[in-house]
Amino acid sequence: QQQVKQSPQSLIVQKGGISIINCAYENTAFDYFPWYQQFPGKGPALLIAIRPDVSEKKEGRFTISFNKSAKQFSLHIMDSQPGDSATYFCAATLYNQGGKLIFGQGTELSVKP
Amino acid sequence: NAGVMQNPRHLVRRRGQEARLRCSPMKGHSHVYWYRQLPEEGLKFMVYLQKENIIDESGMPKERFSAEFPKEGPSILRIQQVVRGDSAAYFCASSPLANEQFFGPGTRLTVL
Repeated sequence: QQQVKQSPQSLIVQKGGISIINCAYENTAFDYFPWYQQFPGKGPALLIAIRPDVSEKKEGRFTISFNKSAKQFSLHIMDSQPGDSATYFCAATLYNQGGKLIFGQGTELSVKP
Repeated sequence: NAGVMQNPRHLVRRRGQEARLRCSPMKGHSHVYWYRQLPEEGLKFMVYLQKENIIDESGMPKERFSAEFPKEGPSILRIQQVVRGDSAAYFCASSPLANEQFFGPGTRLTVL
């Protein structure tokens, strides 16, 4: 019940295209869903996050779509750039309760010029 | 405002030695989390601490691993009698109010 499943495992997108990464969770008590971006040899960096009271959140080229009934959420990267090439992790936790982050398996994104 | 700091960035130990990993949270953050990332795998929670208290250690192996976050100084993750399977990247994250977590650059442990 603590799992977060992420797909695809790897993704290749052309420059200017849309990158879409999907995640599904099991625990209906989760109420905070962040996305992290990790470059090789670096720590994960918080990219964008959403609470379940909204169905979509947009920050620049990054958008999270959230479907509470389906227990799914996704990251959309618009106008993908080579600099976006990194590994992306979704996560879920209990907000303001010191909850540990439960991470998805990660998606390695490669944006081709 | 400096980010989360971890040292050392790289640590090499021989089997049976001890490894000590340090984490200084962001200024004003009193919640610290440790995660482990094995090669080609995602991040797995190990332990959650507040000043002088372990709040959740459900992800920490029962033997050889310990963590502390003293009143003064950094949080320490200690691995005794390291084995090759301990080779991984260890990340510390800090949070101001047990909500958003901000990660450090990690310590990459190699056990020979």
